[in-house]
Amino acid sequence: NAGVTQTPKFQVLKTGQSMTLQCAQDMNHEYMSWYRQDPGMGLRLIHYSVGAGITDQGEVPNGYNVSRSTTEDFPLRLLSAAPSQTSVYFCASRTTGGTDTQYFGPGTRLTVL
Amino acid sequence: QQQVKQSPQSLIVQKGGISIINCAYENTAFDYFPWYQQFPGKGPALLIAIRPDVSEKKEGRFTISFNKSAKQFSLHIMDSQPGDSATYFCAARYSGAGSYQLTFGKGTKLSVIP
Repeated sequence: NAGVTQTPKFQVLKTGQSMTLQCAQDMNHEYMSWYRQDPGMGLRLIHYSVGAGITDQGEVPNGYNVSRSTTEDFPLRLLSAAPSQTSVYFCASRTTGGTDTQYFGPGTRLTVL
Repeated sequence: QQQVKQSPQSLIVQKGGISIINCAYENTAFDYFPWYQQFPGKGPALLIAIRPDVSEKKEGRFTISFNKSAKQFSLHIMDSQPGDSATYFCAARYSGAGSYQLTFGKGTKLSVIP
């Protein structure tokens, strides 16, 4: 199993550009989520999905879009990048319920100039 | 509001010493409390976790102490080693409405010096 994979690892954008951060998992997990990590702010939930076709907003959803057409993939779209979106982005997945482990991807470091 | 407050922000411990990181929460509906460990340039990984019906859980050198009445839990790292140097996040899970959301503390950067 590859676990949770994210592409790209690094990305530099100019203000106003759009892009999609890719996330895929091969563990057949229902629950997938996106976090951003900023110094001193911990991990903040952007969007999450409890299954294909179902998404919902987290703590900091503004400026981001998601969709979940398959169990495996959960892309995060930046519609019009802003410097405030400079961050490290982590995708995560797990099964729902019980005490199941949440698995994180290796992260995408995004810089918006 | 679902909040988890973590302290200290940073911690320096001598090799062989005990590292203690504390977290406090407000929402009594939280039902699962994991700790994640993150090395530089990597994603967080589950270290140890506890449910609120247990007061302590130990795995090797890592122990979670849980105080339900005080709404506090802590991570103790015994015999701390330089390889334990990482950022540690406490978290709490809310399972209401099928969301299973994890709320994270802001993290503690642990440095273990030889």
